[in-house]
Amino acid sequence: AQSVAQPEDQVNVAEGNPLTVKCTYSVSGNPYLFWYVQYPNRGLQFLLKYITGDNLVKGSYGFEAEFNKSQTSFHLKKPSALVSDSALYFCAVRVFTGGGNKLTFGTGTQLKVEL
Amino acid sequence: GAVVSQHPSWVICKSGTSVKIECRSLDFQATTMFWYRQFPKQSLMLMATSNEGSKATYEQGVEKDKFLINHASLTLSTLTVTSAHPEDSSFYICSARDPYLAGERNEQFFGPGTRLTVL
Repeated sequence: AQSVAQPEDQVNVAEGNPLTVKCTYSVSGNPYLFWYVQYPNRGLQFLLKYITGDNLVKGSYGFEAEFNKSQTSFHLKKPSALVSDSALYFCAVRVFTGGGNKLTFGTGTQLKVEL
Repeated sequence: GAVVSQHPSWVICKSGTSVKIECRSLDFQATTMFWYRQFPKQSLMLMATSNEGSKATYEQGVEKDKFLINHASLTLSTLTVTSAHPEDSSFYICSARDPYLAGERNEQFFGPGTRLTVL
């Protein structure tokens, strides 16, 4: 079965420090990987995706993610965290089924950026 | 960018009543819409996929007679929770996909969610 795992329920970072939110995946074939952010009581906002090409993907709000095939990882990164980055982050993989395709989400990682 | 709206943003109802949630794509035609359910501090669980003009495809374990989905037009899908009970209280999120837009940055465009509380 195709899935993604986010091993950390919460990540705490000081403002200005680099941040990493981890994600590993398990898929058959080439993975389509995504990162979304969710603020309280809001829907999901797209950050970035990897389909093919460069392993380092740049996205919205200064975020980037590195696709590592050998480690089956797709960690989200940002060089300098902001307090406003505090939110819930979801990694997702696009799953292809007989009826079409759909997104399967990880369990989410709560990012807390403190002054 | 593509915008998806949901109405209402929150609803409180009595046990046994039915509640309808609307999901609209405002500036694109959504051939496919998805309905998710999210419990507090948990991930999104896909409930069903609906394609315009056809019956929805429900995920395993989701009661199709309880969660009625209608996708009658390219811009509107509705989720009706029938005979709601307290255990149906949750955050319901829809998303929409237009295959012509999916080739751009995004795959699915998400609505802001609807908080359902059943007393």
